[in-house]
Amino acid sequence: EAEVAQSPRYKITEKSQAVAFWCDPISGHATLYWYRQILGQGPELLVQFQDESVVDDSQLPKDRFSAERLKGVDSTLKIQPAELGDSAMYLCASSSQMGADEQFFGPGTRLTVL
Amino acid sequence: EDQVTQSPEALRLQEGESSSLNCSYTVSGLRGLFWYRQDPGKGPEFLFTLYSAGEEKEKERLKATLTKKESFLHITAPKPEDSATYLCAVRSYGNNRLAFGKGNQVVVIP
Repeated sequence: EAEVAQSPRYKITEKSQAVAFWCDPISGHATLYWYRQILGQGPELLVQFQDESVVDDSQLPKDRFSAERLKGVDSTLKIQPAELGDSAMYLCASSSQMGADEQFFGPGTRLTVL
Repeated sequence: EDQVTQSPEALRLQEGESSSLNCSYTVSGLRGLFWYRQDPGKGPEFLFTLYSAGEEKEKERLKATLTKKESFLHITAPKPEDSATYLCAVRSYGNNRLAFGKGNQVVVIP
C-alpha cells in the first residue's frame, strides 16, 4: 500500500540551529501539505503545494520557515533559526489533486528544540 | 473562520461499552467533514468523509453521522485496539484548508 514517507522521524536540536524535514508523497499525488501539530492540539496547515507551486502559505512564519518542492515530487521544510516554541510534530500529507477529499498523512517528524 | 470543537476531550471505556464522540462545527458553507484516527506518535489515518446532513458511514465498530451543526462518531462494543485520538476536521467551499479540532482521546480498558 502506498504511503507518505517522512524523515527523520525524530530530531533534537538546540535553539538558533537550522533543521530540515523531508517528505515524499504518495506517487502521483499532485498536492502536498505540511502541517504542525502541537501536543494536545489538532494539526494546523503551514503550507500547501500544487505540483511545484505554493497555493497557500498564509500560516507559515516566513521569517524563519521555508518550504520547497522543486520538481513537484518530494518536499523539504526548513526552520532557521529554531526556537523553543517550534517543538512539535511536523506532518506531511498528500492528496491526488487540489480539492480532493482524502488527505493521506505520513508518520511525522517529532522536533524537540532545547 | 472555520471552527471545530470536539467533546469530550478524553474518554475511558470498558471493553464492550458503546459510546459517542461529538464534533461541533462552524463553517460558512460545508464542503466536507472528515474523521481521522491518530495513534500516539503517528500521523492521522483517514476514516470517513461526510458531505450532507443525514449522511452516515460505517467501518467495523465505528459509525459516523452528520447534522447541520455537528457530527457524531459512535463506537459500538469497543475493543482495546480502538484506543486512539479521534480527530474531526471540516473544509468549507472555496477553501482547501482543513480546520481540525483538538481531538477526542479514547482509552478502552480490557
